[in-house]
Amino acid sequence: DAKTTQPTSMDCAEGRAANLPCNHSTISGNEYVYWYRQIHSQGPQYIIHGLKNNETNEMASLIITEDRKSSTLILPHATLRDTAVYYCIAKRVDYGQNFVFGPGTRLSVLP
Amino acid sequence: ETGVTQTPRHLVMGMTNKKSLKCEQHLGHNAMYWYKQSAKKPLELMFVYNFKEQTENNSVPSRFSPECPNSSHLFLHLHTLQPEDSALYLCASSPSGANSGANVLTFGAGSRLTVL
Repeated sequence: DAKTTQPTSMDCAEGRAANLPCNHSTISGNEYVYWYRQIHSQGPQYIIHGLKNNETNEMASLIITEDRKSSTLILPHATLRDTAVYYCIAKRVDYGQNFVFGPGTRLSVLP
Repeated sequence: ETGVTQTPRHLVMGMTNKKSLKCEQHLGHNAMYWYKQSAKKPLELMFVYNFKEQTENNSVPSRFSPECPNSSHLFLHLHTLQPEDSALYLCASSPSGANSGANVLTFGAGSRLTVL
């Protein structure tokens, strides 16, 4: 599975859009991009995933570049409850999942 | 409530004790996972089970012994642990199969373990 690189930390003002980047320059054609987040001392929570098209759900939007080497998770109107560590993972689909989390980006939403 | 229930939520044990962590899901998933999260460290994958069969063991010491009696239940048996094993232990489940949904994991709230 491709390595992903994320900034260690980011700040965002409450009510503004939070744009979290992820680099996955070695991603292969059958690897999806997944985003999870972990609010302090809780289990991680799935947010969204995509292959090459942009995706949107009730939580966030995922923008994947045309060459698929990077992506951006967008929280359109960040709230204080969005303060968390956000993980970007590139993963192919196969039997026997070895789903590995990296250090992620610590997003702080400021009042 | 995520659909994945872990008990106990908090556990304190001595190094000579034997205890078990329990995880239960009724989401119809066939894959279950144990992760360990030490303070200020990323999650570490420990074990993966698919249809009750262990498919991943991430070089975990034998003092951690998993058990998966059926697709809905997962245990982590603990014996002769060390203080450095103190951590948050997270259970997760997901569908199995070669589709993108197989990587959509649902996590429990975790069991916080302190080894004295």
